[in-house]
Amino acid sequence: GENVEQHPSTLSVQEGDSAVIKCTYSDSASNYFPWYKQELGKRPQLIIDIRSNVGEKKDQRIAVTLNKTAKHFSLHITETQPEDSAVYFCAASRGGSYIPTFGRGTSLIVHP
Amino acid sequence: GAVVSQHPSWVICKSGTSVKIECRSLDFQATTMFWYRQFPKQSLMLMATSNEGSKATYEQGVEKDKFLINHASLTLSTLTVTSAHPEDSSFYICSATSTSGGRETQYFGPGTRLLVL
Repeated sequence: GENVEQHPSTLSVQEGDSAVIKCTYSDSASNYFPWYKQELGKRPQLIIDIRSNVGEKKDQRIAVTLNKTAKHFSLHITETQPEDSAVYFCAASRGGSYIPTFGRGTSLIVHP
Repeated sequence: GAVVSQHPSWVICKSGTSVKIECRSLDFQATTMFWYRQFPKQSLMLMATSNEGSKATYEQGVEKDKFLINHASLTLSTLTVTSAHPEDSSFYICSATSTSGGRETQYFGPGTRLLVL
């Protein structure tokens, strides 16, 4: 089955800095890669996703890049703000039957 | 985006009792829903895939007789934790897949925090 590795497990940055979270996957057939943000005690919220037919996608301060050859994808957050502090999860799936495999999560802390 | 609700949001029960958690897709139909369990500071662990009109598919290591899943309609799936014990205390989250424009997106419920005394 699919195996998703996520790094780092904890990321601490100063407000205004950029944050990068990286994930690798093992199943070359995976073609859908969502990123979720989960605040303490709340549900995971989809913040951005990318499909295998594109290499990069951007939404304001958030961007995701995908390297299918190397089987890795990354989340980039620019100009970080304290409200960006949360746990971020990457996931990979083949779509269709849609049983995504989640990474272990990255706890992002943005210091004011 | 699509909305998934969960009820109750939290529950405290005595050891040995059963607890039912409901997951509803409010504005779309979901033939498939997923049940996750999340321990503090850990990732989402898939417990089972709930299929409307058929039996759920359980992940390895998840006891099907302990975690009963019923997907009675295209908008409702229930998870019943039978004979709950303190080690079952956790955050249970459901999700449902919404299809739009030929693309599927997974939406999560708000979660149910279960504390077994």
